[in-house]
Amino acid sequence: TQLLEQSPQFLSIQEGENLTVYCNSSSVFSSLQWYRQEPGEGPVLLVTVVTGGEVKKLKRLTFQFGDARKDSSLHITAAQPGDTGLYLCASNFGNEKLTFGTGTRLTIIP
Amino acid sequence: DAGVTQSPTHLIKTRGQHVTLRCSPISGHKSVSWYQQVLGQGPQFIFQYYEKEERGRGNFPDRFSARQFPNYSSELNVNALLLGDSALYLCASTRTYPQVYEQYFGPGTRLTVT
Repeated sequence: TQLLEQSPQFLSIQEGENLTVYCNSSSVFSSLQWYRQEPGEGPVLLVTVVTGGEVKKLKRLTFQFGDARKDSSLHITAAQPGDTGLYLCASNFGNEKLTFGTGTRLTIIP
Repeated sequence: DAGVTQSPTHLIKTRGQHVTLRCSPISGHKSVSWYQQVLGQGPQFIFQYYEKEERGRGNFPDRFSARQFPNYSSELNVNALLLGDSALYLCASTRTYPQVYEQYFGPGTRLTVT
């Protein structure tokens, strides 16, 4: 059974601060996706990373994929209230079933 | 382009009843997956269908079933509803390219069992 662990589980910071959330597994990811989900809505795909060591940027969000493809991080600079939500990492581990991480619930305080 | 659509948005049922949830994937996507998300947890995989065939099944009882139609839309059926079936049910359609299964989610159906 492949497990994805995310940390921290909860994070509450002031607007304008920077933050990093992490996603780790004991298994190698074939690829990894990051999603953001708002209450009562479906997860929205933010990025897919495939290659070990890959770095992708999406405005103020920076996604890194570990060299060994067993970990990933999401860094947000100058956080804004609109960044509030549940951040989920997910991987299919080479098959067609998407396994989600435990999630990080982020709250940005204005 | 339209995204993944799901119906109904909300549903209230009583224990023992059955329910049918519907999903239409993004145009051109041939694969549909279903997930259950209980409050405070990440989505849990239920089924995946590709070209009308079941490709994967999660750890859910036989009360859960699904099918996919020739137009790639899908239905999820749950029989003999239990209180614990109350959850957000998510449908996702899959874009595939080498080594990657990228899933796009619909808004979900909120099922409440009383």
